Amino acid sequence: AAGVIQSPRHLIKEKRETATLKCYPIPRHDTVYWYQQGPGQDPQFLISFYEKMQSDKGSIPDRFSAQQFSDYHSELNMSSLELGDSALYFCASGGFGTEAFFGQGTRLTVV
Amino acid sequence: AQKITQTQPGMFVQEKEAVTLDCTYDTSDQSYGLFWYKQPSSGEMIFLIYQGSYDEQNATEGRYSLNFQKARKSANLVISASQLGDSAMYFCAMREGSDNNDMRFGAGTRLTVKP
Repeated sequence: AAGVIQSPRHLIKEKRETATLKCYPIPRHDTVYWYQQGPGQDPQFLISFYEKMQSDKGSIPDRFSAQQFSDYHSELNMSSLELGDSALYFCASGGFGTEAFFGQGTRLTVV
Repeated sequence: AQKITQTQPGMFVQEKEAVTLDCTYDTSDQSYGLFWYKQPSSGEMIFLIYQGSYDEQNATEGRYSLNFQKARKSANLVISASQLGDSAMYFCAMREGSDNNDMRFGAGTRLTVKP
Protein backbone atom coordinates (compact mmCIF):
# COMPACT_ATOMS: atom_id res chain seq x y z
CA ALA A 1 0.00 0.00 0.00
CA ALA A 2 1.16 3.53 -0.71
CA GLY A 3 2.65 5.36 2.26
CA VAL A 4 3.49 8.94 3.04
CA ILE A 5 6.56 10.05 1.15
CA GLN A 6 8.82 12.76 2.48
CA SER A 7 11.81 14.26 0.77
CA PRO A 8 14.60 14.73 1.32
CA ARG A 9 15.35 12.22 4.06
CA HIS A 10 18.33 14.18 5.27
CA LEU A 11 19.24 17.81 4.81
CA ILE A 12 22.18 19.86 6.00
CA LYS A 13 21.93 23.64 5.84
CA GLU A 14 23.90 26.54 7.18
CA LYS A 15 22.52 29.20 9.49
CA ARG A 16 20.41 31.82 7.74
CA GLU A 17 19.82 29.57 4.74
CA THR A 18 16.42 28.37 3.58
CA ALA A 19 15.07 24.85 3.31
CA THR A 20 12.06 23.29 1.64
CA LEU A 21 10.67 19.98 2.82
CA LYS A 22 8.20 18.05 0.71
CA CYS A 23 5.43 15.66 1.64
CA TYR A 24 3.33 13.43 -0.59
CA PRO A 25 0.32 12.12 1.37
CA ILE A 26 -1.48 8.86 0.91
CA PRO A 27 -3.89 9.03 -2.05
CA ARG A 28 -7.45 10.04 -1.08
CA HIS A 29 -6.35 11.29 2.32
CA ASP A 30 -7.72 14.76 2.96
CA THR A 31 -5.48 16.03 5.75
CA VAL A 32 -1.78 16.78 6.03
CA TYR A 33 -0.04 17.52 9.31
CA TRP A 34 3.48 18.83 9.88
CA TYR A 35 5.43 18.14 13.07
CA GLN A 36 8.83 19.05 14.44
CA GLN A 37 10.55 16.62 16.80
CA GLY A 38 13.69 17.72 18.63
CA PRO A 39 16.08 15.16 20.14
CA GLY A 40 14.41 13.30 22.98
CA GLN A 41 11.19 15.26 22.61
CA ASP A 42 7.66 14.50 21.53
CA PRO A 43 6.48 15.70 18.14
CA GLN A 44 5.35 19.31 18.21
CA PHE A 45 2.46 20.20 15.95
CA LEU A 46 3.31 22.92 13.44
CA ILE A 47 0.47 23.23 10.96
CA SER A 48 -2.17 21.22 9.14
CA PHE A 49 -4.14 21.35 5.94
CA TYR A 50 -7.57 19.97 5.14
CA GLU A 51 -8.50 19.68 1.49
CA LYS A 52 -5.66 22.03 0.53
CA MET A 53 -6.75 24.77 2.93
CA GLN A 54 -4.80 25.62 6.05
CA SER A 55 -6.74 24.09 8.88
CA ASP A 56 -4.92 24.54 12.17
CA LYS A 57 -1.75 26.20 13.31
CA GLY A 58 0.45 25.16 16.20
CA SER A 59 3.84 26.36 17.34
CA ILE A 60 5.10 27.25 13.88
CA PRO A 61 7.65 30.09 13.81
CA ASP A 62 6.95 33.06 11.57
CA ARG A 63 10.06 32.09 9.60
CA PHE A 64 8.27 28.93 8.49
CA SER A 65 5.43 28.68 6.03
CA ALA A 66 3.63 25.82 4.43
CA GLN A 67 1.15 25.15 1.70
CA GLN A 68 -0.69 22.30 0.08
CA PHE A 69 -0.89 22.15 -3.67
CA SER A 70 -3.58 21.06 -6.10
CA ASP A 71 -2.06 17.57 -6.31
CA TYR A 72 -2.29 17.39 -2.49
CA HIS A 73 1.42 17.38 -1.89
CA SER A 74 2.59 19.80 0.76
CA GLU A 75 5.74 21.81 1.29
CA LEU A 76 7.19 23.28 4.46
CA ASN A 77 9.38 26.28 3.76
CA MET A 78 11.86 27.35 6.39
CA SER A 79 13.84 30.56 6.12
CA SER A 80 16.61 32.21 8.14
CA LEU A 81 17.46 28.85 9.62
CA GLU A 82 18.76 28.73 13.16
CA LEU A 83 20.74 26.05 14.96
CA GLY A 84 17.65 25.31 17.04
CA ASP A 85 15.73 24.33 13.94
CA SER A 86 17.77 21.12 13.75
CA ALA A 87 15.21 18.39 14.25
CA LEU A 88 13.28 15.58 12.66
CA TYR A 89 10.38 16.96 10.62
CA PHE A 90 7.45 14.69 10.06
CA CYS A 91 4.56 14.92 7.72
CA ALA A 92 1.47 12.87 8.47
CA SER A 93 -1.40 12.08 6.17
CA GLY A 94 -4.89 11.69 7.58
CA GLY A 95 -8.09 10.40 6.12
CA PHE A 96 -11.52 9.00 6.91
CA GLY A 97 -11.28 10.46 10.42
CA THR A 98 -9.55 7.43 11.84
CA GLU A 99 -6.22 7.28 10.13
CA ALA A 100 -3.08 9.34 10.49
CA PHE A 101 0.06 7.82 9.03
CA PHE A 102 3.47 9.39 9.23
CA GLY A 103 6.19 9.63 6.65
CA GLN A 104 9.70 8.59 7.52
CA GLY A 105 10.66 12.15 8.32
CA THR A 106 13.28 14.59 7.16
CA ARG A 107 16.25 15.04 9.43
CA LEU A 108 17.35 18.64 9.19
CA THR A 109 20.73 19.64 10.55
CA VAL A 110 21.60 23.33 10.69
CA VAL A 111 25.30 24.05 11.04
CA ALA B 1 -2.19 23.25 29.43
CA GLN B 2 -1.00 19.78 28.62
CA LYS B 3 -3.80 17.94 26.87
CA ILE B 4 -2.18 14.53 26.70
CA THR B 5 -0.37 13.13 29.72
CA GLN B 6 1.84 10.09 29.71
CA THR B 7 3.11 9.67 33.24
CA GLN B 8 5.56 6.84 32.61
CA PRO B 9 8.82 8.11 31.12
CA GLY B 10 10.10 4.54 30.98
CA MET B 11 8.71 1.05 31.40
CA PHE B 12 10.27 -2.39 31.49
CA VAL B 13 8.52 -5.64 30.67
CA GLN B 14 9.66 -9.22 30.42
CA GLU B 15 9.41 -10.82 27.00
CA LYS B 16 6.07 -12.61 26.45
CA GLU B 17 4.36 -10.68 29.24
CA ALA B 18 1.71 -8.00 28.81
CA VAL B 19 2.31 -4.33 29.54
CA THR B 20 0.04 -1.32 29.91
CA LEU B 21 1.17 2.15 28.87
CA ASP B 22 -0.85 4.92 30.45
CA CYS B 23 -2.39 7.89 28.69
CA THR B 24 -4.81 10.44 30.07
CA TYR B 25 -6.25 13.32 28.13
CA ASP B 26 -8.09 16.54 28.70
CA THR B 27 -10.77 17.84 26.42
CA SER B 28 -14.17 19.46 26.62
CA ASP B 29 -15.12 18.26 23.15
CA GLN B 30 -17.59 15.42 22.81
CA SER B 31 -16.04 14.27 19.57
CA TYR B 32 -12.37 13.37 19.54
CA GLY B 33 -10.00 10.67 18.45
CA LEU B 34 -7.14 9.01 20.28
CA PHE B 35 -4.11 7.51 18.58
CA TRP B 36 -1.11 5.49 19.65
CA TYR B 37 2.17 5.49 17.79
CA LYS B 38 5.39 3.54 18.14
CA GLN B 39 8.72 5.19 17.42
CA PRO B 40 11.67 2.79 17.31
CA SER B 41 15.25 4.01 17.41
CA SER B 42 15.18 4.31 13.62
CA GLY B 43 12.94 7.36 14.12
CA GLU B 44 9.90 6.43 12.05
CA MET B 45 6.46 6.93 13.57
CA ILE B 46 4.34 3.81 13.25
CA PHE B 47 0.58 4.05 13.66
CA LEU B 48 -0.68 1.36 16.03
CA ILE B 49 -4.30 1.92 16.97
CA TYR B 50 -7.15 4.42 16.94
CA GLN B 51 -10.10 4.95 19.29
CA GLY B 52 -12.95 7.32 18.55
CA SER B 53 -14.79 8.99 21.40
CA TYR B 54 -18.09 7.53 20.24
CA ASP B 55 -16.76 4.02 19.79
CA GLU B 56 -18.43 1.76 22.29
CA GLN B 57 -15.97 -1.06 21.92
CA ASN B 58 -12.32 -0.86 22.87
CA ALA B 59 -10.13 -0.82 19.79
CA THR B 60 -7.93 -3.83 19.11
CA GLU B 61 -5.26 -4.44 16.49
CA GLY B 62 -3.45 -7.73 16.83
CA ARG B 63 -1.42 -7.64 20.04
CA TYR B 64 -2.44 -4.05 20.71
CA SER B 65 -5.59 -3.07 22.49
CA LEU B 66 -6.77 0.21 23.87
CA ASN B 67 -8.35 0.31 27.30
CA PHE B 68 -10.67 3.28 26.78
CA GLN B 69 -12.28 4.66 29.92
CA LYS B 70 -14.16 7.72 28.79
CA ALA B 71 -15.33 8.89 32.20
CA ARG B 72 -11.77 8.81 33.49
CA LYS B 73 -10.45 10.28 30.24
CA SER B 74 -7.89 7.56 29.87
CA ALA B 75 -6.80 5.61 26.82
CA ASN B 76 -4.20 3.14 27.95
CA LEU B 77 -2.39 0.96 25.44
CA VAL B 78 -2.10 -2.72 26.29
CA ILE B 79 0.53 -4.76 24.49
CA SER B 80 0.11 -8.48 24.97
CA ALA B 81 2.85 -11.11 24.61
CA SER B 82 5.65 -8.53 24.43
CA GLN B 83 8.41 -9.10 21.92
CA LEU B 84 11.94 -7.74 21.87
CA GLY B 85 11.00 -5.71 18.82
CA ASP B 86 8.42 -3.84 20.86
CA SER B 87 11.21 -1.88 22.56
CA ALA B 88 10.60 1.70 21.43
CA MET B 89 9.08 5.03 22.38
CA TYR B 90 5.30 5.01 22.47
CA PHE B 91 3.30 8.18 21.97
CA CYS B 92 -0.35 8.81 22.72
CA ALA B 93 -2.02 11.53 20.65
CA MET B 94 -5.41 13.20 20.51
CA ARG B 95 -7.31 15.03 17.82
CA GLU B 96 -10.15 17.11 19.20
CA GLY B 97 -13.40 17.96 17.54
CA SER B 98 -14.94 16.62 14.39
CA ASP B 99 -13.21 19.15 12.17
CA ASN B 100 -10.06 19.98 14.06
CA ASN B 101 -6.84 18.99 12.48
CA ASP B 102 -4.26 19.60 15.14
CA MET B 103 -3.37 16.21 16.55
CA ARG B 104 -1.33 16.69 19.73
CA PHE B 105 1.10 14.29 21.34
CA GLY B 106 2.02 13.28 24.85
CA ALA B 107 5.61 13.18 26.06
CA GLY B 108 5.95 9.49 25.31
CA THR B 109 6.91 6.36 27.21
CA ARG B 110 10.07 4.44 26.48
CA LEU B 111 9.33 0.72 26.65
CA THR B 112 12.14 -1.76 27.07
CA VAL B 113 11.41 -5.45 26.64
CA LYS B 114 13.80 -7.69 28.53
CA PRO B 115 14.70 -11.16 27.21
